[in-house]
Amino acid sequence: RKEVEQDPGPFNVPEGATVAFNCTYSNSASQSFFWYRQDCRKEPKLLMSVYSSGNEDGRFTAQLNRASQYISLLIRDSKLSDSATYLCVVNKLGGSQGNLIFGKGTKLSVKP
Amino acid sequence: GAVVSQHPSRVICKSGTSVKIECRSLDFQATTMFWYRQFPKQSLMLMATSNEGSKATYEQGVEKDKFLINHASLTLSTLTVTSAHPEDSSFYICSVVQRSYNEQFFGPGTRLTVL
Repeated sequence: RKEVEQDPGPFNVPEGATVAFNCTYSNSASQSFFWYRQDCRKEPKLLMSVYSSGNEDGRFTAQLNRASQYISLLIRDSKLSDSATYLCVVNKLGGSQGNLIFGKGTKLSVKP
Repeated sequence: GAVVSQHPSRVICKSGTSVKIECRSLDFQATTMFWYRQFPKQSLMLMATSNEGSKATYEQGVEKDKFLINHASLTLSTLTVTSAHPEDSSFYICSVVQRSYNEQFFGPGTRLTVL
């Protein structure tokens, strides 16, 4: 099983749609979880951290299910500018801040 | 503004040459910086952890003699790809951690193409 697994997509949705991304991770002892956004040929940028209780930031909602080792990201009212690749990121067991494991990413394309 | 800078942003070189990539932390001192690489359609993979004033820590499968890391100051780490070959062509990204924000900031990346 891959350490962090995501559906690669692409997800092609119209503006205004709601879209959900899923991610599973293999290390049950992982402590920190994140969603990053990466635009084409650019560096990844932190979108949001994911907390056990779930958290929301504007149109974005992240959920964590430790029992199932599952993380999700929900985007409501999609904008054209949301088009990017979304990376699910988990820290290594006992790892420092730098020991992050990245998923391959899920590509989102929002169309007019 | 940018927190981390990288130079060069893009480099094309012949097989067998060495390429040096610089990573600078602009906003704060960084005792630790990280080097990643990303092949097309693949995930970012941590190559090594660069420690100021000491030897870098390499991830399994990464050749330390091929990827030389020097972290000579609190704001600068360099990665040198020695005797580069076409299979080394990749997107190399460095990052620093702002511990008070618990966030890792990435540089803009260096796209290396070895002919």
